[in-house]
Amino acid sequence: DAGVTQSPTHLIKTRGQQVTLRCSPKSGHDTVSWYQQALGQGPQFIFQYYEEEERQRGNFPDRFSGHQFPNYSSELNVNALLLGDSALYLCASSGITGAVGAFFGQGTRLTVV
Amino acid sequence: QKEVEQNSGPLSVPEGAIASLNCTYSDRGSQSFFWYRQYSGKSPELIMSIYSNGDKEDGRFTAQLNKASQYVSLLIRDSQPSDSATYLCAVNPNTGNQFYFGTGTSLTVIP
Repeated sequence: DAGVTQSPTHLIKTRGQQVTLRCSPKSGHDTVSWYQQALGQGPQFIFQYYEEEERQRGNFPDRFSGHQFPNYSSELNVNALLLGDSALYLCASSGITGAVGAFFGQGTRLTVV
Repeated sequence: QKEVEQNSGPLSVPEGAIASLNCTYSDRGSQSFFWYRQYSGKSPELIMSIYSNGDKEDGRFTAQLNKASQYVSLLIRDSQPSDSATYLCAVNPNTGNQFYFGTGTSLTVIP
């Protein structure tokens, strides 16, 4: 049973560019959430997708957008990259209630130069 | 006001000792509580969940929940060097399916 998979694992982008990160949820999970984890901080909630719609959103600007596909996989897009966007981006999958916790992928390390 | 607060540490304990990690949360209506372990450069790994007041034991790990005090703790018995990691407390409030994380407590187990 494959767990949560993310791609790519590492990425270097230039300030002002755009980036797309991808996530496939754990088998049996239909809800995908994205988190940003800066160095030395806990994960910060970006947004959550369920049934191909954004259901909840954290305190992130509109430069952060996403999509969920019919097979439950998801993309995170970040436009007009800033140096401060450098972080570990984590995808977490869960059932819709989240009652049994969220399971994370290995993350994508984004460096903006 | 932070949703979930943890002592960032670092916390150092000798091998074989009990490590105690603490967490407080602000949303009194929260229903689900989790502990994650994160090794350096890796993603968080779910190690414990707790939903009711009291203790929940799983191997060397015991999670404790006190909803009246809005307090969650994790005890690690017989600590091993492989337990050295950052431990994240996460809370699932009653308002949706997002998780609020603390900043994590760095634990070092000294051989």
